[in-house]
Amino acid sequence: RKEVEQDPGPFNVPEGATVAFNCTYSNSASQSFFWYRQDCRKEPKLLMSVYSSGNEDGRFTAQLNRASQYISLLIRDSKLSDSATYLCVVNSPNTGNQFYFGTGTSLTVIP
Amino acid sequence: GAVVSQHPSRVICKSGTSVKIECRSLDFQATTMFWYRQFPKQSLMLMATSNEGSKATYEQGVEKDKFLINHASLTLSTLTVASAHPEDSSFYICSAFRPTYEQYFGPGTRLTVT
Repeated sequence: RKEVEQDPGPFNVPEGATVAFNCTYSNSASQSFFWYRQDCRKEPKLLMSVYSSGNEDGRFTAQLNRASQYISLLIRDSKLSDSATYLCVVNSPNTGNQFYFGTGTSLTVIP
Repeated sequence: GAVVSQHPSRVICKSGTSVKIECRSLDFQATTMFWYRQFPKQSLMLMATSNEGSKATYEQGVEKDKFLINHASLTLSTLTVASAHPEDSSFYICSAFRPTYEQYFGPGTRLTVT
């Protein structure tokens, strides 16, 4: 079983739409969770960390459900510039602080 | 945010050549660096964890004799692809781990082996 699983998409949404991505992780001892954004042929960039209480940064909202081992990312009022691949990342201290990546979800925002 | 550099950004080499990629954390000391590989339209795959002053820990299926990692200092880790072959062509990305569970990625090295 993969450490982190994501729906690869692709998601094609019109500008202004709300879109949600989901991610599940297998290691119940995981402690840190992140969403990264990766543009084509570039390195991943941290979008936001995911906290137990849920957190929001502008149009982006991240949520964590430890009981279900599930993370989500909600993007409201999508912009063309949001088009990218979104990677769910989980860090587990009991595996040497390794970071495990989901396969990424591809988002294209259409004018 | 923290800065991690990688050099070179692009390498084109002939089969059988060894290629060395450097990863540097420019503004913090990184006791741990990670090396990833990404094939087209796939996610990053962790290759190995590089710890300063000790041997790297390789993921299952990654040949340690082919992908030589040296973490010589708290700001530098190198990955050497020994006797590269076309199937080693990929995007190699390093990251430096800052002990608040944050990792910062280098810009990546695109390796093409002909």
